[in-house]
Amino acid sequence: DGGITQSPKYLFRKEGQNVTLSCEQNLNHDAMYWYRQDPGQGLRLIYYSQIVNDFQKGDIAEGYSVSREKKESFPLTVTSAQKNPTAFYLCASSIGLRDGYTFGSGTRLTVV
Amino acid sequence: QKEVEQDPGPLSVPEGAIVSLNCTYSNSAFQYFMWYRQYSRKGPELLMYTYSSGNKEDGRFTAQVDKSSKYISLFIRDSQPSDSATYLCAMSHGSSNTGKLIFGQGTTLQVKP
Repeated sequence: DGGITQSPKYLFRKEGQNVTLSCEQNLNHDAMYWYRQDPGQGLRLIYYSQIVNDFQKGDIAEGYSVSREKKESFPLTVTSAQKNPTAFYLCASSIGLRDGYTFGSGTRLTVV
Repeated sequence: QKEVEQDPGPLSVPEGAIVSLNCTYSNSAFQYFMWYRQYSRKGPELLMYTYSSGNKEDGRFTAQVDKSSKYISLFIRDSQPSDSATYLCAMSHGSSNTGKLIFGQGTTLQVKP
């Protein structure tokens, strides 16, 4: 079955550490997105990519980095510069405007 | 002011009730309108999609778009406890080639047996 796989489901980070969240899709979608979800704030766009080797900052890109070396993969690194990284992170992909997004099941990151 | 406004609730209704969920928006360029359902600790899933103004029905769900009022609605008939979830509205500029969606905050719905 086609879909988006995010891993790990839960992740714990110590202060000052970088961590990388994985996102893989086998839907042959060109566009991929990373969102952060906090209680009461809805979904906020971190980064998005329309094509391999190209990506753009979203609304809250500071403290995050991404790469898009393969069509199927769009990993997100939460760097030590991100001051409040505890959140639920969602990866999504789309083929175009008409199809909406397909979301992964999310990664819950907690700073310990 | 946010581009998309959605009352976060929570909204609690008895089983069998008709539920009305709403969003308002400020940008008249939006043409694609969607509703996503998100269960606790899961990713959102696409529930309904409409283009421009009008109604769309799918089983117990009806999506309504009124572009003149910049207002969209999702109606759930004969609500069930399994409908308990957070419902997110989302919309996109028709002229954008990125497919970026702008999301509302989400409304938390609880349907009590």
